[in-house]
Formats: sequence, C-alpha cells, structure tokens
Amino acid sequence: AQTVTQSQPEMSVQEAETVTLSCTYDTSESDYYLFWYKQPPSRQMILVIRQEAYKQQNATENRFSVNFQKAAKSFSLKISDSQLGDAAMYFCAYRANFGNEKLTFGTGTRLTIIP
Amino acid sequence: DAGVIQSPRHEVTEMGQEVTLRCKPISGHDYLFWYRQTMMRGLELLIYFNNNVPIDDSGMPEDRFSAKMPNASFSTLKIQPSEPRDSAVYFCASTPSGTSDYNEQFFGPGTRLTVL
Repeated sequence: AQTVTQSQPEMSVQEAETVTLSCTYDTSESDYYLFWYKQPPSRQMILVIRQEAYKQQNATENRFSVNFQKAAKSFSLKISDSQLGDAAMYFCAYRANFGNEKLTFGTGTRLTIIP
Repeated sequence: DAGVIQSPRHEVTEMGQEVTLRCKPISGHDYLFWYRQTMMRGLELLIYFNNNVPIDDSGMPEDRFSAKMPNASFSTLKIQPSEPRDSAVYFCASTPSGTSDYNEQFFGPGTRLTVL
C-alpha cells in the first residue's frame, strides 16, 4: 500500500522569507502523481501544485515550486517570498496513474507566517 | 462554475440518530469521492464512484456507513446509527476523466459533523 509521510507537524517562517516543507512517500508504482494541497482555516482544500512522476522537470506555480527526487521518493514544497495568506495546513498527497484514482494524504504540516 | 456543493455545512446530532450528508459534483465530472478528516486519522478516503458506480469502498468504516450515487449530479453519505467517534469533517470531491483536469480533485467545502 502507498504511504505518504510528512515529518514536520509545524513550521514557521518570517514574512517574505523562503520555507521548505518535506514529504516522502512509498510506492511500488513507477507512474503516479504527487500533489500539495493547502487547507486554510476555512477548511477548503486548495490544490497548490502537482507533479507527474514521469516528468523530470520540477513543477513551479508562481511562488511555489517542488523538489521532486523520484529515486529518493521525496517531494518537498518550497514557498518563496512567504505571505501572510500562506498560513495554512499543507498536505502532501499521492495518486497512482492507473487503477485507483483515490488520493492518499500525509498528516499535514501547519505553516505559520511571522509578520 | 459553482464548484462542488455539499450540504449541510454543519450538522450536530445525538448519538443513535441517522445522519445524511449530500454532495453535488461539478457538472461533467464522472468521478466522485468521499473523504473524512479527523485529528486522529487525518484525511482518508471512504468511497469513490465512477459513472455512479462504486469502485472502491474499502475505506468505509463499518456497516453503519452507506453511500449512494443515484445519478451523475447527486450523492449521499449516510450514517445510521451515528456515534460520537463519527464526529469529523466529511469532504466530497469530483474530477473529470479524459481531460487535463483529470489529475486534480476538486473539493467541496466539507460538512462538519458533531455527534453528541
């Protein structure tokens, strides 16, 4: 079974600085997708960024980028120029490309932005 | 686009009562998922449907839980009888097949259930 591990229950960063959230996963599949979701206090789940495992290039979305290390099964999220609105729970998630479309989530990292 | 719609947003009930949560997926999305979020277990899949047919219900905790999708625009998750340990936030999500959006699941706002 696939597992997703987020080893940092809480992180904090000064406004305008850069922070990296860690995620590791375990799978026997070679083709899959990885995601970072943001959950603010409103509890709405918002997709931040996604990465296809077959792509070597790391995904980027404005201030958000990932460091995808397939061999190490590592998928970290870097937030640059942190803003107060980035404060939220961040969840790493895995989805196989074929066979089962469900998302498997990590336990989350609570990110605090210090003004 | 209205997004995924869930009702009610909040539900407070007493132990033993029947609870029904409702979800309307985004029009044209043929996959529908029910997730539960608790402090102890985090976010976990309960069940998902494809074209109204249940595909994986291995996450449904026990017989007290049941889910249906009578048509492409409506799904229910029912708990009968409810217990305090069912207190959680229940999310519905949908995704379309055959498009670039297939890779993203669009989540509803969730239903916060409290069982006293």
